[in-house]
Amino acid sequence: SQKIEQNSEALNIQEGKTATLTCNYTNYSPAYLQWYRQDPGRGPVFLLLIRENEKEKRKERLKVTFDTTLKQSLFHITASQPADSATYLCALHSGAGSYQLTFGKGTKLSVIP
Amino acid sequence: DSGVTQTPKHLITATGQRVTLRCSPRSGDLSVYWYQQSLDQGLQFLIQYYNGEERAKGNILERFSAQQFPDLHSELNLSSLELGDSALYFCASSAGPNVFEQFFGPGTRLTVL
Repeated sequence: SQKIEQNSEALNIQEGKTATLTCNYTNYSPAYLQWYRQDPGRGPVFLLLIRENEKEKRKERLKVTFDTTLKQSLFHITASQPADSATYLCALHSGAGSYQLTFGKGTKLSVIP
Repeated sequence: DSGVTQTPKHLITATGQRVTLRCSPRSGDLSVYWYQQSLDQGLQFLIQYYNGEERAKGNILERFSAQQFPDLHSELNLSSLELGDSALYFCASSAGPNVFEQFFGPGTRLTVL
């Protein structure tokens, strides 16, 4: 069955360092992969989308890579700040025409001052 | 603010009851998605509507139903409620074909006692 795994439930990092979050998937051939940020009790917020033919995407301090051979995406936040503390969700889109997203359970990032 | 509105914000009801959750998508968005988020299951896709028609179905129980009206707002109906239905219910919208990022509302927290 299709499975999405985000490497850890929680990640603590020192302010100023680079945070790296991992999303692995099995039994999937996603056309697109997305990353969302979710704060407690609030709806997810779209951050970045990367297509299967793209290796890397950047937006300000955020960088996403997508390796369809390894079936893995890495999400990096450089120069992390306490305000980056949140849960980050990976979501896959199969491209089958319905635009349905399947989400991972998320990684809770805490940036320590 | 994503532009997606959901009402009510909180709902407390008893087992066996029926409730209706309402969602208004961002102006111009034709697609509406419903998700359920519980602590153990993460964010689960329920159903998608596009311009009034059902487009995709996920893990939606038979006790749950939804519709999208001509003005594009959507309602999710939950009936014969059980304790396990307690969760955050999110609505998201997107512009439709060829636009994949989703914009989430603030959610409705449902508590079934």
